[in-house]
Amino acid sequence: KNQVEQSPQSLIILEGKNCTLQCNYTVSPFSNLRWYKQDTGRGPVSLTIMTFSENTKSNGRYTATLDADTKQSSLHITASQLSDSASYICVVSDRGSTLGRLYFGRGTQLTVWP
Amino acid sequence: EADIYQTPRYLVIGTGKKITLECSQTMGHDKMYWYQQDPGMELHLIHYSYGVNSTEKGDLSSESTVSRIRTEHFPLTLESARPSHTSQYLCASSESGSGSPYEQYFGPGTRLTVT
Repeated sequence: KNQVEQSPQSLIILEGKNCTLQCNYTVSPFSNLRWYKQDTGRGPVSLTIMTFSENTKSNGRYTATLDADTKQSSLHITASQLSDSASYICVVSDRGSTLGRLYFGRGTQLTVWP
Repeated sequence: EADIYQTPRYLVIGTGKKITLECSQTMGHDKMYWYQQDPGMELHLIHYSYGVNSTEKGDLSSESTVSRIRTEHFPLTLESARPSHTSQYLCASSESGSGSPYEQYFGPGTRLTVT
C-alpha cells in the first residue's frame, strides 16, 4: 500500500532555533517528492519539489533532503521565525499514471514560540 | 501567490440544503482538482478534471458532483448536504504535459459546516 508517514506529529520550538521534520514513504514507482507549508485555514503552498536524481534542495531557510534508496526525506528549517508556525506536509508522486497521483502525509504541526 | 480563488471561504448550512462551492483560476491551467481535508488528516482527492468537459472521481468516494464547462471554472455541488459532509474543501490546479514535475497550486479552501 502506498503511504506517506511523517514525524513528529507536532513540534514546538523557540524562535531562532532550527528543526528537522521527517518523512518516510512507501510509494512506488517514485516520481517526485514535495514539501508544502499549510497555514491554518489556508491552502498548501509548495516549498520544494525533488525528483529521483536530486538529494537536496533549498528554498530560503528551508532545506529538503531526499534519500530515494531508503525512501526518506527531511525538511530542515533554519533560524525559525514566528511565521513558520504551520503544518508541513510531505507529498509523494508516482509515475504510474498520466495524472501523476499525489500521496499526502498528515503533516507535522510546527509551533514557533517567541 | 497563486491565482486560484474559492468562494465562499466559510459556509454554515442546514441539513438537506443544496450547495455549490466555487473555484476559479486565472492561470489557464488544464488540470483542476478538488480535495477534502479533515483537521489533522491528509488531503484526499475527490474529483479531478483534465480539461473542459472532462471530470473524473478521485480516490475518496464523495456524494458531491463537479462540472467543467469553462477552463477557468470548476464548481463542486452537493445536492443535499449532511453533517458527514462537514470538512474543508480545497481546490487546486496545475499545468498539463510531461517532463518536469508540475506544480499544483491550491486555493484558500472552503470550510463547510453542515448542522
